[in-house]
Amino acid sequence: EVQLVESGGGLVQPGGSLRLSCSASGFTFSRFWMNWVRQAPGKGLEWVANIKQDGSEKYYVGSVKGRFTISRDNAKNSVYLEMNSLRAEDTALYYCAREGEASDFWSGYLHWGRGTLVTVSS
Amino acid sequence: DIVMTQSPESLAVSLGERATINCKSSRSLLYSSNNKNFLAWYQQKPGQPPKLLISWASTRESGVPDRFSGSGSGADFTLTISSLQAEDVAIYYCHQYYNSPLTFGGGTKVEIK
Repeated sequence: EVQLVESGGGLVQPGGSLRLSCSASGFTFSRFWMNWVRQAPGKGLEWVANIKQDGSEKYYVGSVKGRFTISRDNAKNSVYLEMNSLRAEDTALYYCAREGEASDFWSGYLHWGRGTLVTVSS
Repeated sequence: DIVMTQSPESLAVSLGERATINCKSSRSLLYSSNNKNFLAWYQQKPGQPPKLLISWASTRESGVPDRFSGSGSGADFTLTISSLQAEDVAIYYCHQYYNSPLTFGGGTKVEIK
């Protein structure tokens, strides 16, 4: 069974930093792109970033470019999101998500974690 | 960036009746090399992560009831619930994975009339 478990969320002051982790199990982690998607309280879904199977390609939404860094460790079956210069508008539940199939193409996210909550507030 | 516009924002439908949600993208999501539309639909219930219903605009995921169907091509897409059940009350999102940044529609809240 595919499992994605996020951790690392919490309360942080504006301008602060946080590192999120997503631990994966139940599949061959190194075969899949991995994604972070966030959802602000009471709001819709926003894709944040993704990373290729070998870490050679990374993509970000514009609002986090230069502040967030996605990385992965295939030996540890984990993907990370390093978040710096955090702002109030980064407050959200951060989900780790995986596509349904291992492929050269992106596709829909069949597997999701339960999310980890990041709150940016003074 | 590709903008995904969903309509309506909310929808109240009687049990057993049809619910139709529209999603329009600011550019075509049809990839010529494989003739597939890079669009998915999700259902999200309170306190839960989204659930993938449909990929490639019209391919229903395993275990998804056949009352859910997706249609459309290019830049105009529709999710149809043919006979609304109580358990279908949720927010529905479309999602383009054609290019980065990947984007979601704003969501459509479906309720029982």
